[in-house]
Amino acid sequence: QLQLQESGPGLVKPSETLSLSCAVSGGSITSSSYYWGWIRQSPGKGLEWIGSIYYTGTTSYNPSLQSRVTISVDRTTNHFSLKLTSVTAADTAVYFCARPTSASGPINYFYAVDVWGPGTTVTVSS
Amino acid sequence: DIQMTQSPSSLSASVGDSVTITCRASQTIANYLHWYQQKPGKAPKLLIYAASNLQSGVPSRFRGRGSGTDFTLTISGLQPEDFATYFCQQSYTNPALTFGGGTKVEIK
Repeated sequence: QLQLQESGPGLVKPSETLSLSCAVSGGSITSSSYYWGWIRQSPGKGLEWIGSIYYTGTTSYNPSLQSRVTISVDRTTNHFSLKLTSVTAADTAVYFCARPTSASGPINYFYAVDVWGPGTTVTVSS
Repeated sequence: DIQMTQSPSSLSASVGDSVTITCRASQTIANYLHWYQQKPGKAPKLLIYAASNLQSGVPSRFRGRGSGTDFTLTISGLQPEDFATYFCQQSYTNPALTFGGGTKVEIK
């Protein structure tokens, strides 16, 4: 069963770069049926899609964050990563890595997110 | 951008009650609509995909309906473990995704 696990610093200073990694285990990151994405949740708030990447390296970003976000994939290590530059207190959130799935076997998931990492809390503070 | 509006933002109900949560899209999204349950400190869990399909392992008391712009999630016979926050999400603009604001289901 595929699992995702986020890792990275829990505390980032304002104006610096937030860097997180997501390890994919129990399956390959190179499957054509999936995107690999980042979603965040600010304290007491809803879910915000940050961006997604296909195993070929094609990316899509939330327009509200696009100027500060880079998502990359490492097929050799089965990881994908998030970088968010020039962070402020508004970027304090729980960050989830996730797998939006077009299809899994005979099931068409229409890009529902069927696998989530447990989430990692990132606080932006000096 | 497609906006997703959920209502109500919160509701109180008793064990055994039936509740319905509504999600409305700002433009048509066909059936690219999914529902998630989230409990405190946990990642969301997929309940319903493509508007009306029950994810494997999810109890049949959860039912999703709708297409186009208007969707509902109904929980029939609330159980203690169902008290949580529920989110809808559209993927019509995939790979870009948008979530609704959430509905917190609390115990009356």
